[in-house]
Amino acid sequence: EAAVTQSPRNKVTVTGGNVTLSCRQTNSHNYMYWYRQDTGHGLRLIHYSYGAGNLQIGDVPDGYKATRTTQEDFFLLLELASPSQTSLYFCASSDAGGSDTGQLYFGEGSKLTVL
Amino acid sequence: QQKVQQSPESLSVPEGGMASLNCTSSDRNFQYFWWYRQHSGEGPKALMSIFSDGDKKEGRFTAHLNKASLHVSLHIRDSQPSDSALYFCAASEHGYAQGLTFGLGTRVSVFP
Repeated sequence: EAAVTQSPRNKVTVTGGNVTLSCRQTNSHNYMYWYRQDTGHGLRLIHYSYGAGNLQIGDVPDGYKATRTTQEDFFLLLELASPSQTSLYFCASSDAGGSDTGQLYFGEGSKLTVL
Repeated sequence: QQKVQQSPESLSVPEGGMASLNCTSSDRNFQYFWWYRQHSGEGPKALMSIFSDGDKKEGRFTAHLNKASLHVSLHIRDSQPSDSALYFCAASEHGYAQGLTFGLGTRVSVFP
C-alpha cells in the first residue's frame, strides 16, 4: 500500500511566523497534493504537482507556496502565517495511470495552529 | 454552492444494521465518483470508486450510481464499530485524482 509521511504532525506558531510542512511518498507516484481540512468546508485542494519542479494551483492557494524538490518530496510553505490558516493539512499522492487512477493516498495529517 | 453535496450530516446505526449515505453532484460534468473513509486521527482512505450506472459491491459495502440524476449512494451492511468514521464522497470530470472535489462528509456512528 502507498505510504505518505508528513512532518511535523503538530505545529504551533504565531501570526506572521514561517511554517514549512513536509511530505514524502515512497511509491513513485507522479502526483502529489496538499489539502486542508476544516469543519464546514471538507477537504480543499491548495496546490498539487505532477513531478519535480512542477507546481499547479488548487482551489484555495492564497497565502500558500509549495515546492516539489524530488519525485518523493513536496513541501507546503506559509511565509506569513495567519490565524485563518489554522487547520488540519493533508498531503496525498496518486499515480498518473494504472488500475487505481483517481485514487488518492493520504498521509496522517499535520495539525497547524496559528496564534 | 457546494458542488458535491452529502446527506445526512450524521448517522447513528446499531451494530449489525444497515447504514445508507447519499451524495449528489450539482455539476453535470462530474461523472466519476469515489467514497473515502476517515477514522479519527487518521488521513482519509479510499473505500471504492464507481464510474458506471448501477451497483458495485465490495465486501459489506455497496455503492449505487445513477448518472442521469448524478446521485450516488453508499450502503454499509452489517455495520461494525470499526465503521464509525467520517465518510466523504468525491467526484471528478475525468476520473483522475487531480480533479477530485470532495463533499463535506457524513459522520457515521455505530452503537452496540
